[in-house]
Amino acid sequence: GESVGLHLPTLSVQEGDNSIINCAYSNSASDYFIWYKQESGKGPQFIIDIRSNMDKRQGQRVTVLLNKTVKHLSLQIAATQPGDSAVYFCAESYGQNFVFGPGTRLSVLP
Amino acid sequence: NAGVMQNPRHLVRRRGQEARLRCSPMKGHSHVYWYRQLPEEGLKFMVYLQKENIIDESGMPKERFSAEFPKEGPSILRIQQVVRGDSAAYFCASSGLRGTEKLFFGSGTQLSVL
Repeated sequence: GESVGLHLPTLSVQEGDNSIINCAYSNSASDYFIWYKQESGKGPQFIIDIRSNMDKRQGQRVTVLLNKTVKHLSLQIAATQPGDSAVYFCAESYGQNFVFGPGTRLSVLP
Repeated sequence: NAGVMQNPRHLVRRRGQEARLRCSPMKGHSHVYWYRQLPEEGLKFMVYLQKENIIDESGMPKERFSAEFPKEGPSILRIQQVVRGDSAAYFCASSGLRGTEKLFFGSGTQLSVL
């Protein structure tokens, strides 16, 4: 289930289940979006990106969905594995800098 | 092809000292961004630089913080007269084009102010 921690919301899923991490972005003019994964003590690592002329993009075990009408971005992870445990950030760009969302901690339960 | 290199990995300073954080972007990248991250929080934009130019420093505190990206050498984030509230992880990222290509991040510098 999903819960709000002191700072980061946490999503707990069973190993093997699918995970869906959501992100609301702020600027309707944003035209490029990225999902990053950050493991403890490490820098953010690129997962997948999508431009505003697309609604969906698939990678290996990951899918990003973009709903421009409600300014919503989601990351779907298929068959979640223990190695997927991390904090996930969405980032939006509108031709200037990238603005990062607050992040969601994904916890994979055995 | 080396990624974004940051050093030092950990930096300990006493209050009032200076901290210098270094970042070498990926080969071929001319855009450098600095972000600050507190524990259990997101990444806060500080400054965006191109070679020899500060393009956007809207996220930088007005005092004690400065950044540069010289023609030769790494980008430097400098914090003068550090205070305990400066303790954080500082991440550098680089890209080939501003805002239209993904950012590649370094491993960060963890600054601890005693």
